[in-house]
Amino acid sequence: DTGVSQDPRHKITKRGQNVTFRCDPISEHNRLYWYRQTLGQGPEFLTYFQNEAQLEKSRLLSDRFSAERPKGSFSTLEIQRTEQGDSAMYLCASSAGDRVGQPQHFGDGTRLSIL
Amino acid sequence: AQKITQTQPGMFVQEKEAVTLDCTYDTSDQSYGLFWYKQPSSGEMIFLIYQGSYDEQNATEGRYSLNFQKARKSANLVISASQLGDSAMYFCAMRVPAAGGTSYGKLTFGQGTILTVHP
Repeated sequence: DTGVSQDPRHKITKRGQNVTFRCDPISEHNRLYWYRQTLGQGPEFLTYFQNEAQLEKSRLLSDRFSAERPKGSFSTLEIQRTEQGDSAMYLCASSAGDRVGQPQHFGDGTRLSIL
Repeated sequence: AQKITQTQPGMFVQEKEAVTLDCTYDTSDQSYGLFWYKQPSSGEMIFLIYQGSYDEQNATEGRYSLNFQKARKSANLVISASQLGDSAMYFCAMRVPAAGGTSYGKLTFGQGTILTVHP
């Protein structure tokens, strides 16, 4: 059983550049979540999808952030005009449904460093 | 809005002893779920244990148990017989109904507790 896969593992870029991350969920998981985690803190919710529909976006997700899940399988998270404050670990998770006890399974994350 | 509080930034335990990691939560929802995750230094988040708000029994999964005290709004994680491999960051998280519905979406996490197991 393949887990959640994220690519790339690390991304270093200059301030002002655009970056895109990819997440492949566990197959047949219809829910996909994005979180952001800064050093020493717990993950903070960004957005989530059920199939291809984006159901909720956090206020943390400024206009520079956009996420898609076009075919209800993999998802991409794009950050435009990156800023120093965007440096963080970006975590993707998936789950098989929307029941309260359904655990979310996380990928290894993409660590973004802004120079 | 829901909130998770973990008041222990760091905890130390001797190998083979038990340790309790504290978690308190705040929500006005009657139905909710509480989760614990482990994050080793390598970064992946590993699901450990789940407790539902209506569950009458405390959840157990191997060496992990959840001490659920609903009236006190606490959901402490107990790790028995600690092992060196238990050294990691531990996060408590909560899930409440999404706005306007009966489905459940995002997790809200606490700030975490770093556990160090000494040989």
